[in-house]
Amino acid sequence: GEDVEQSLFLSVREGDSSVINCTYTDSSSTYLYWYKQEPGAGLQLLTYIFSNMDMKQDQRLTVLLNKKDKHLSLRIADTQTGDSAIYFCAGNTGNQFYFGTGTSLTVIP
Amino acid sequence: GAVVSQHPSWVICKSGTSVKIECRSLDFQATTMFWYRQFPKQSLMLMATSNEGSKATYEQGVEKDKFLINHASLTLSTLTVTSAHPEDSSFYICSAQGGVGELFFGEGSRLTVL
Repeated sequence: GEDVEQSLFLSVREGDSSVINCTYTDSSSTYLYWYKQEPGAGLQLLTYIFSNMDMKQDQRLTVLLNKKDKHLSLRIADTQTGDSAIYFCAGNTGNQFYFGTGTSLTVIP
Repeated sequence: GAVVSQHPSWVICKSGTSVKIECRSLDFQATTMFWYRQFPKQSLMLMATSNEGSKATYEQGVEKDKFLINHASLTLSTLTVTSAHPEDSSFYICSAQGGVGELFFGEGSRLTVL
């Protein structure tokens, strides 16, 4: 199966930008996703990028995809305390979805 | 955008009872839905792929008689945890696949078995 790796922890100060990185092994994913999970809550789809795109911007979120290096990143501009959560990247090959272990983002006031 | 609703959000049951969790796609039809389980501080584990009108496909190590999946319509899949035991306590999450392959998740159901 696919391996999807993320750093486990990230801390940033409120107002700074956060960059969460993800690497994957299988380049056949049609879409790559970023999900947010707040404590005690389910997954929230933040954004997704089609595999033939390099970048997608959605308000404070910017997704960068480097297919050559199999690297996906999520940049959160002007990070707020409400952004503290676990962020999962995911990809799919056919109907099989693979998730990273999640990056726990802590925003320091 | 597409919304997937999962019910119930929280359920507490006694050991030995069965619990049914529903997953509905609210504004789109999903021929394929997925069920995941999340262990504490771990990523999601795919349990099974639910296909409308046919039997679910279970991942290796997942007991199909323990976790019954029914996908009777294009908007509803159910997961029944039969004869639940404390070790079945977990966070169960469903997802539904949209028309171009994108994936939408329910908010999850937290099961506690006493």
